[in-house]
Order: sequence, then structure tokens, then C-alpha cells
Amino acid sequence: NAGVTQTPKFRVLKTGQSMTLLCAQDMNHEYMYWYRQDPGMGLRLIHYSVGEGTTAKGEVPDGYNVSRLKKQNFLLGLESAAPSQTSVYFCASSWTGFQPQHFGDGTRLSIL
Amino acid sequence: QQQVKQSPQSLIVQKGGISIINCAYENTAFDYFPWYQQFPGKGPALLIAIRPDVSEKKEGRFTISFNKSAKQFSLHIMDSQPGDSATYFCAASPLNTGFQKLVFGTGTRLLVSP
Repeated sequence: NAGVTQTPKFRVLKTGQSMTLLCAQDMNHEYMYWYRQDPGMGLRLIHYSVGEGTTAKGEVPDGYNVSRLKKQNFLLGLESAAPSQTSVYFCASSWTGFQPQHFGDGTRLSIL
Repeated sequence: QQQVKQSPQSLIVQKGGISIINCAYENTAFDYFPWYQQFPGKGPALLIAIRPDVSEKKEGRFTISFNKSAKQFSLHIMDSQPGDSATYFCAASPLNTGFQKLVFGTGTRLLVSP
């Protein structure tokens, strides 16, 4: 059982480039989340989804877009990457909004 | 604005000792307080959680103590083991948002020496 799988695991981008981070879960969870983790700041919620076809803004949504076309996948897009978006990105999912969130192992993104 | 303040930033404990990590929050709407454990290269994993209707919750060697009036909660790891060496995050969430809208502390890096 894979749980929550994030791809890629590492990526280096140049300022202004675009990319998409993929999160896939095989637990049939309704809720999915994207966080970023920065040194000294803990994890912060970027966007979340309460079900297929829905998305909503979290605490730090600026510069990111998301899509949830399929229940099992939650995509995070950076249209024009900036050095301030250098971070480790974590995806999580949960069965309901009140069940524990299960995290993937993260994507380490560096923007030069 | 740091809504959940966590201390210490790092902690070294001898094997068999007690590890204590503290968190304080400001938002009185928070009513769910989980602790997450994160190993290097891995995502956080839920360790233990508490609701404010109880003052303490224990699961094995891990205990959460909760002080609602002081708006503080802490994680105690009894008989600490080298395998407990990890980063620990406290978090808090209101539940009236319809889901766990977690606000995380800044993390504590725990090293348990053999």
C-alpha cells in the first residue's frame, strides 16, 4: 500500500520557469492538502481540496495554483517560479476533514 | 504571526531520560492539538493528539499534557530511546472550519544519545 506518493522528489528550477508537483493517494481519501516546510517556520498550508473537482486557498496560496480533476490526484503548479518558493513541499490526505492527515515524503524544490 | 510557539528548538536527552517539548497558542478557537513526528527525508506522521476536554492523554511512552487556562500543551517522551531521535511538531486547529486546518509550531529537533 503506497499511501501518499509525491513526484518528483527533487527538482531545481530557474527563476521564471514553471512546473507541476504531483500528489497521488491510493486510500480513497476525500481531503487533500499541500503544505510547504521552511526552516524555522514549520509547515504552512498552501491549498486544500475537500473532494474531487474542488480546491480552496490555505494560509500561503500566492504564486501557486492547484487542480483536483481526479479524486486520487492533487496537483500543485508554479506558473513562474521565484527564489522565495524554494522549499520542501508536502502533500497530505485524509478520509474526512476530521481524520488524521497522512503525509507523503515531500518534494525538495530549489529555485535559482 | 506565529500562532503556535514551540520550544525548545533543539533538545539532547540521554537514553532512558524524559524529553519534554512545550507549545503555547493564542487562538482560543483552537480545539484540536496533535503532535507530529518527522524523520529525515520523510513526511510528518501523527504521533498523538488531544482535545481540550481532557488535561492529559497517554499512549505508550508518549504523553500530552494540556493546560487550557494557560493555553499551553506539552509532549513528554518517557524512557527516551535513540529511535525517538526526530523532529517533533506541535500543531493546533479549530474544528469549526469543517476540517483540520492545522497551524504548526516551528519544530523541535530531538537527539537521544545512546
